[in-house]
Amino acid sequence: GAVVSQHPSWVICKSGTSVKIECRSLDFQATTMFWYRQFPKQSLMLMATSNEGSKATYEQGVEKDKFLINHASLTLSTLTVTSAHPEDSSFYICSATDQQGIYSPLHFGNGTRLTVT
Amino acid sequence: KQEVTQIPAALSVPEGENLVLNCSFTDSAIYNLQWFRQDPGKGLTSLLLIQSSQREQTSGRLNASLDKSSGRSTLYIAASQPGDSATYLCAVDNNAGNMLTFGGGTRLMVKP
Repeated sequence: GAVVSQHPSWVICKSGTSVKIECRSLDFQATTMFWYRQFPKQSLMLMATSNEGSKATYEQGVEKDKFLINHASLTLSTLTVTSAHPEDSSFYICSATDQQGIYSPLHFGNGTRLTVT
Repeated sequence: KQEVTQIPAALSVPEGENLVLNCSFTDSAIYNLQWFRQDPGKGLTSLLLIQSSQREQTSGRLNASLDKSSGRSTLYIAASQPGDSATYLCAVDNNAGNMLTFGGGTRLMVKP
């Protein structure tokens, strides 16, 4: 079946540094990728939607200059947390789909645990 | 704006029990509803997807129902096992673009 690989699975960084998270579709072309954030004991919240070759669409309240999303190819999207702060510590999950419409399946990565010290 | 609520937030049952997880949503104009499982610190595993035109889906010991008009879905787990312990999330898609709105999840613990 379709697989989405997310890397790294966890990362610890110092406040003020930037961290890049990769999301790859391994056996399908992901026309659209989604980035979610999950704080402890809370549900997932959609951060942004990225379509290959175009700018990402950010949800209200998500700073696009802080969370840089690049979807340069049909198999790779990256999320860069710039100038990370402790409040950015969270679990980040990407998902990808290769189709549009109500029958299109979503495939999720295993997530990245970011801790900012 | 779509809001998704899951009740209960946490549930602890002995092994072998049949159980029901509830999901409600405020905007009934959905394209589909999905149930996911999330193990601690892990990503999501899709369990069942119900299209808006469907009323239920079954996979093994899992059965999900959908009542769009009342804005409700239930996930029925038969003969629960300790391996079923996880957080179960429901999510709705309002615009066929796979931009899901998630519920808060139900943390299930099945005790041996």
